[in-house]
Amino acid sequence: DIQMTQSPSSLSSSVGDRVTITCRASENLYTYLNWYQQTPGKAPKLLISAASSLQDGVPSRFSGGGSGTNYTLTISSLQPEDSATYYCQQSYARPTFGQGTRLEIK
Amino acid sequence: EGLLVESGGGLVQPGGSLRLSCAASGFIFSTSRMHWVRQAPGKGLVWVSRIETDGSSTNYADSVEGRFSISRDNAKDTVYLQMNSLRAEDTALYYCVRESLRDFDLWGQGTLVTVSS
Repeated sequence: DIQMTQSPSSLSSSVGDRVTITCRASENLYTYLNWYQQTPGKAPKLLISAASSLQDGVPSRFSGGGSGTNYTLTISSLQPEDSATYYCQQSYARPTFGQGTRLEIK
Repeated sequence: EGLLVESGGGLVQPGGSLRLSCAASGFIFSTSRMHWVRQAPGKGLVWVSRIETDGSSTNYADSVEGRFSISRDNAKDTVYLQMNSLRAEDTALYYCVRESLRDFDLWGQGTLVTVSS
């Protein structure tokens, strides 16, 4: 299976900050990389697919990028409602998820 | 948009069996590849199994291969997960998930499976 490594595992930032989460794969994903947001007690929500395609209804402050084995999720101006755990997931082969990044708002 | 509703979770002893169901509505179920993803308490997401639109092909995570079986009934818009030889490490919230263009675009709310004596 393809191994997915997210960093950092947790972070704390302030409202208005720019935040970047990184996901590294053990092999080339050819942009078959998705990002999800999960808030406590809720199911995950798809934010970005195919590395950079923003889902309908997702605020434009979220963006995704990357290629090959390295991908990023960026929140351009952090909002209180962005407090959540974020997961990357590869769909190039049998699906695997990163371990998650817990984002806390200071 | 669509809705997925899981059921069938509960408390089961190690070595026991359980069958989860996921009822779909609001979309054309028979054209959607379906998955099960689980999340142990306080832990991350782990993919469990996948079934093709017509049920002709299935895949499993190594950790459940040979013990779990995924199936579907397109006439009932329902996907199932038969879980046998359950272990403590199978304890988790099990999500039913729809695949769309290689991403997971619709999730149920999950059904909790607890394996304990």
